[in-house]
Amino acid sequence: AQSVTQLGSHVSVSEGALVLLRCNYSSSVPPYLFWYVQYPNQGLQLLLKYTSAATLVKGINGFEAEFKKSETSFHLTKPSAHMSDAAEYFCAVSERNTGNQFYFGTGTSLTVIP
Amino acid sequence: DAGVTQSPTHLIKTRGQQVTLRCSPKSGHDTVSWYQQALGQGPQFIFQYYEEEERQRGNFPDRFSGHQYPNYSSELNVNALLLGDSALYLCASSLGQLTDTQYFGPGTRLTVL
Repeated sequence: AQSVTQLGSHVSVSEGALVLLRCNYSSSVPPYLFWYVQYPNQGLQLLLKYTSAATLVKGINGFEAEFKKSETSFHLTKPSAHMSDAAEYFCAVSERNTGNQFYFGTGTSLTVIP
Repeated sequence: DAGVTQSPTHLIKTRGQQVTLRCSPKSGHDTVSWYQQALGQGPQFIFQYYEEEERQRGNFPDRFSGHQYPNYSSELNVNALLLGDSALYLCASSLGQLTDTQYFGPGTRLTVL
């Protein structure tokens, strides 16, 4: 079965600092990987996805993530945090060829300090 | 192009009642998945509908059931509501059965008293 671990339920960074949100997965086969963002009282918005093309994936709002098979990781980064980045971030994994059931991590709440 | 829409946005029910939540997928999408997101948690997969049939199901009891219509819209029904059913219910749509990006609606906030 698939599982996703997001290390750090809360992360605080200063405005302009590097954002690093961690995600590790377990899967018997190379999965598809996703990062979603959720603002208060809203649904989930796709930031970026990895589906076996380039291992470094660029998403919206300046975010990017790198798939590292050897580390079973898909960490999300942004070089310079903005106040508007404050939100809940979810990593999700889906096993290819078996339908598109997504398994989500428990989320990381990002706070940006002015 | 309308995205995924859900209705109602908020709902308050009492224990033992039944509830129906509705979802219209993104234009061109034929697959609908439902998720339950408890407060402070990540979404948990309930089930997925494709071609009007339930194709996959998560670890949820039979009190949770659904339906998909020929126009691909979908309903989630929950019977005999429990306090623990209080959550944000998210609908996601995608194209086809094989893994593709899921687009989420804004959710329905269900409160069970």
